[in-house]
Amino acid sequence: AQKVTQAQTEISVVEKEDVTLDCVYETRDTTYYLFWYKQPPSGELVFLIRRNSFDEQNEISGRYSWNFQKSTSSFNFTITASQVVDSAVYFCALSELSGGGSNYKLTFGKGTLLTVNP
Amino acid sequence: KAGVTQTPRYLIKTRGQQVTLSCSPISGHRSVSWYQQTPGQGLQFLFEYFSETQRNKGNFPGRFSGRQFSNSRSEMNVSTLELGDSALYLCASSLDPGRGTEAFFGQGTRLTVV
Repeated sequence: AQKVTQAQTEISVVEKEDVTLDCVYETRDTTYYLFWYKQPPSGELVFLIRRNSFDEQNEISGRYSWNFQKSTSSFNFTITASQVVDSAVYFCALSELSGGGSNYKLTFGKGTLLTVNP
Repeated sequence: KAGVTQTPRYLIKTRGQQVTLSCSPISGHRSVSWYQQTPGQGLQFLFEYFSETQRNKGNFPGRFSGRQFSNSRSEMNVSTLELGDSALYLCASSLDPGRGTEAFFGQGTRLTVV
């Protein structure tokens, strides 16, 4: 079973539209971290945000906002007033810290390809 | 502060050959992880090194190996290459994985096996 599910494979929007990327995760750990990364065509994964399992506060950073809900195991990402430069693949990832961090790894979702058209 | 550097950026190898990829982490980061990215399987964890010790390994055959040096630089080796090993190999460095600190990725090495 997938631990991180990004049900939207591709999303296409017109510039200035708002868009939400969904992420649902699965874990039995009580301590875990969730991340969002952006992968532009250049290939490098760019870190966007980290959220720990004890902090359910939503966060806003400019046009980006994140909604973390433990009750539904979701960590959704919204881009407000999208721009062409937002076009990329976006990955949600989970880090479970069982074993005191000795089993550290990131489990990624399959990614969502976002295309913002002018 | 320099980011994560991976070399080479592109490689073309023939089936049966072996290849070594290099990763220099961000200064001060002691954890280095490797991931394979393919269109079919997405991003998959290969292994993680911390202070020259492999702490965690993904579900890859023994042909995939790695090591980390005392300066935290890491190398990944793939022996007896197969066509299916064609992929983007990404390296990530992290300050303190035990506290869930974020991983910073390099631009990757795109390996093509022909």
